[in-house]
Amino acid sequence: KQEVTQIPAALSVPEGENLVLNCSFTDSAIYNLQWFRQDPGKGLTSLLLIQSSQREQTSGRLNASLDKSSGRSTLYIAASQPGDSATYLCAVTDSNYQLIWGAGTKLIIKP
Amino acid sequence: SQTIHQWPATLVQPVGSPLSLECTVEGTSNPNLYWYRQAAGRGLQLLFYSVGIGQISSEVPQNLSASRPQDRQFILSSKKLLLSDSGFYLCAWSIFEGNTIYFGEGSWLTVV
Repeated sequence: KQEVTQIPAALSVPEGENLVLNCSFTDSAIYNLQWFRQDPGKGLTSLLLIQSSQREQTSGRLNASLDKSSGRSTLYIAASQPGDSATYLCAVTDSNYQLIWGAGTKLIIKP
Repeated sequence: SQTIHQWPATLVQPVGSPLSLECTVEGTSNPNLYWYRQAAGRGLQLLFYSVGIGQISSEVPQNLSASRPQDRQFILSSKKLLLSDSGFYLCAWSIFEGNTIYFGEGSWLTVV
């Protein structure tokens, strides 16, 4: 059974730092992996989708990598800003096209 | 461009009362539609998904039901709410399974 884990559950860093959020999964047979952002009390916003054949995807200051063999993905945020404060969730699409979700990492960027 | 609307945003209902949350998608045809529930500090739980009108798959047996009366309309219902139904409900859509999934703004339900 596929399980998705995000560690740490919460992270607080000063503004301007580069940071990495982690996502691990137990079964490497995935279709793709997605990263989302969720602001408090709001819906989720899709950030990046990495297909299983890809190694990374970039959007602005965000870069997501995927290493299927080790069951890991990272979301790299460059030059963090207070507006980046949110909860970041990852989800893998398994071979049955089911989305399996991590519990998220709550990120706080201190001005 | 495609948009998704979900309402109401906030709802306070007494135990035993009915529930209706509505979701509509604009700008696309025959989307896959989803209802999720999110508990604090936990990942999203898929409740229902639909690949077409009248086609509903339930992932978790519970006090809730879903319907898709039109191509781009998805409704979450209950005949009698329980306290345990309280939570944050999210509607979502994708063009096909495995593609990027887009979420509505969510509905906060408090059962009192």
